[in-house]
Amino acid sequence: AQSVTQPDIHITVSEGASLELRCNYSYGATPYLFWYVQSPGQGLQLLLKYFSGDTLVQGIKGFEAEFKRSQSSFNLRKPSVHWSDAAEYFCAVGPYSGGGADGLTFGKGTHLIIQP
Amino acid sequence: DTEVTQTPKHLVMGMTNKKSLKCEQHMGHRAMYWYKQKAKKPPELMFVYSYEKLSINESVPSRFSPECPNSSLLNLHLHALQPEDSALYLCASSQGSGGLDTQYFGPGTRLTVL
Repeated sequence: AQSVTQPDIHITVSEGASLELRCNYSYGATPYLFWYVQSPGQGLQLLLKYFSGDTLVQGIKGFEAEFKRSQSSFNLRKPSVHWSDAAEYFCAVGPYSGGGADGLTFGKGTHLIIQP
Repeated sequence: DTEVTQTPKHLVMGMTNKKSLKCEQHMGHRAMYWYKQKAKKPPELMFVYSYEKLSINESVPSRFSPECPNSSLLNLHLHALQPEDSALYLCASSQGSGGLDTQYFGPGTRLTVL
């Protein structure tokens, strides 16, 4: 069965500092990986995704993530955070099937706090 | 445009009420989803519709009844809910091709059951 682990429940970062959010996955085949962000009381916004190819993927809002198969990781990074980045971040592994839709498997999320 | 809309934004209902949540997308997606999200938890899949047919039901109680009238619309009918059903209900859509699918989420409906 597929699973996603986000080891950090909370992370506090100073505004302007760099950020790395960790994500580890367990999957039987080539994973399809996503990072979503959720502001309080809002829906989930897609930051970036990885399907294949270049293991460093760029997303919106200045975020990037690197897929490392050897470490089963898909960590999210940003070189300089802004106060507006404070939110809940979810890593997810996507459906693997030859056809048809299926649900995402989410990690438990990392709550990002930005210090002034 | 990757917009999924949901109405209402907030809903308060008693345990004997019947209400419905609505979700709409105009991206031509053929798969639509309902997720339930409790506070400080990740979303949990409830239902998947693929090409307007219910393809996945994650053992959801019958007091939740999904409906997909057409490829753009998804409803969730609610009846005789319990206070523990209070949550954020998220709708999502995707092309429905499986594998290389990307799900786009709506803003959610905040449901409170009294």
